[in-house]
Amino acid sequence: DIVMTQSPLSLPVSPGESASISCRSSRSLLHSNGNTYLDWYLQKPGQSPQLLIYLVSNRASGVPDRFSGSGSGTDFTLKISRVEAEDVGVYYCMQALQTPPTFGPGTKVEIK
Amino acid sequence: QVQLVQSAAEVKRPGASVKVSCEASGYTLTSHPIHWVRQAPGQGLEWMGWINTANGNTKYSEKLQGRVTFTRDTSANTAYMEVRSLRSEDTAVYYCARQFARGWSGWFDPWGQGTLITVSS
Repeated sequence: DIVMTQSPLSLPVSPGESASISCRSSRSLLHSNGNTYLDWYLQKPGQSPQLLIYLVSNRASGVPDRFSGSGSGTDFTLKISRVEAEDVGVYYCMQALQTPPTFGPGTKVEIK
Repeated sequence: QVQLVQSAAEVKRPGASVKVSCEASGYTLTSHPIHWVRQAPGQGLEWMGWINTANGNTKYSEKLQGRVTFTRDTSANTAYMEVRSLRSEDTAVYYCARQFARGWSGWFDPWGQGTLITVSS
């Protein structure tokens, strides 16, 4: 199975500041079709996960442009510019290149 | 709007079975695969498997193979997940999620609201 790691696991942020989460995979997530199968999800407190970013850098419908994804191969980053109170929760990266899909351990973002 | 609505929470005894439903609304169930993911209390996300809702083909995680079954009822626009021989470590919130694919694979959107299954004697 592809192992996903994230850092940091906990991220206190002041409102208006930016935040960055790193995600690494144990093998490249680039498929021969040119797509890189790395997604980001946010699980707000008491809610189910929701899609934020798919295929590394594509924002899901309704996701503010404060969220951006980047990276390639095995190294990926989720950036939140101007963190707001509604951004608190646990952020997960997930690889969908290989079955089983595997998730990172999650990064808990909280407001200072 | 597109959503997945899951059945209510249940409490089960060890050794029992449980069946969770996932009703699709706002789209036709058979147009996208459904994946099942579970989350033990305070833990991360664990993929359980998926069902091709068009033809009923399934793929299960190695960990759950033999104890879990995915089915669907196209007339009811609903997918189902059954776990048998429940153990305390099966206590978790169970989610269904629709998969969008681009080429080989894809992302999960939306997710159901989750169904808490508690296994306790």
